[in-house]
Amino acid sequence: QSVLTQPPSVSAAPGQKVTISCSGSSSNIGNNYVSWYQQLPGTAPKLLIYENNKRPSGIPDRFSGSKSGTSATLGITGLQTGDEADYYCGTWDSSLSASVFGTGTKVTVL
Amino acid sequence: QVQLVQSGAEVKKPGASVKVSCKASGYTFTSYDINWVRQATGQGLEWMGWMNPNSGNTGYAQKFQGRVTMTRNTSISTAYMELSSLRSEDTAVYYCACAAGKLLIYWGQGTLVTVSS
Repeated sequence: QSVLTQPPSVSAAPGQKVTISCSGSSSNIGNNYVSWYQQLPGTAPKLLIYENNKRPSGIPDRFSGSKSGTSATLGITGLQTGDEADYYCGTWDSSLSASVFGTGTKVTVL
Repeated sequence: QVQLVQSGAEVKKPGASVKVSCKASGYTFTSYDINWVRQATGQGLEWMGWMNPNSGNTGYAQKFQGRVTMTRNTSISTAYMELSSLRSEDTAVYYCACAAGKLLIYWGQGTLVTVSS
């Protein structure tokens, strides 16, 4: 029932780059900031990117975010085995008056 | 450092209620909203609602209206989420998170609620 759509999985070799898309609509991504969360196996989600492209203190610059229209993208460069996790986009939906999350993407390091 | 420490796992029967607590430390409790998000096993994140610890004002997702109640005790910097009329589909890990506006900054460790007869 997620209103934001992500690919179920992406994978790449160590050191390579992956991108994760997040597709929404004008009531959510189109008119609100997007954030990204990393959820390592068995742990709580952690804020990775906020306000479309800003990184909290302590998040390496290998992680980047962007937004265009009603879609957003998370990029991870220099992929490491420690990056294996589920990644979720999130934003506010003005029509629903609710926070919404993406369907989640599992990143696998080959 | 900011910490949100949640209460332990719960097992409830269908039709019962559960109340999960979330104790905040490392910041002024009344300065940031508390949101609740749940995650069924192997599933994605589902937002349940928010509470302003200063005013007590709340906002709930449509899906949970009438079944969820979010409260707080400012004297002990603790937020609560109570979900009633439990059914098997409510089995999930429940997270609290402190929020700046709509941004979920810090998350609790999660509380597993199992609904089973």
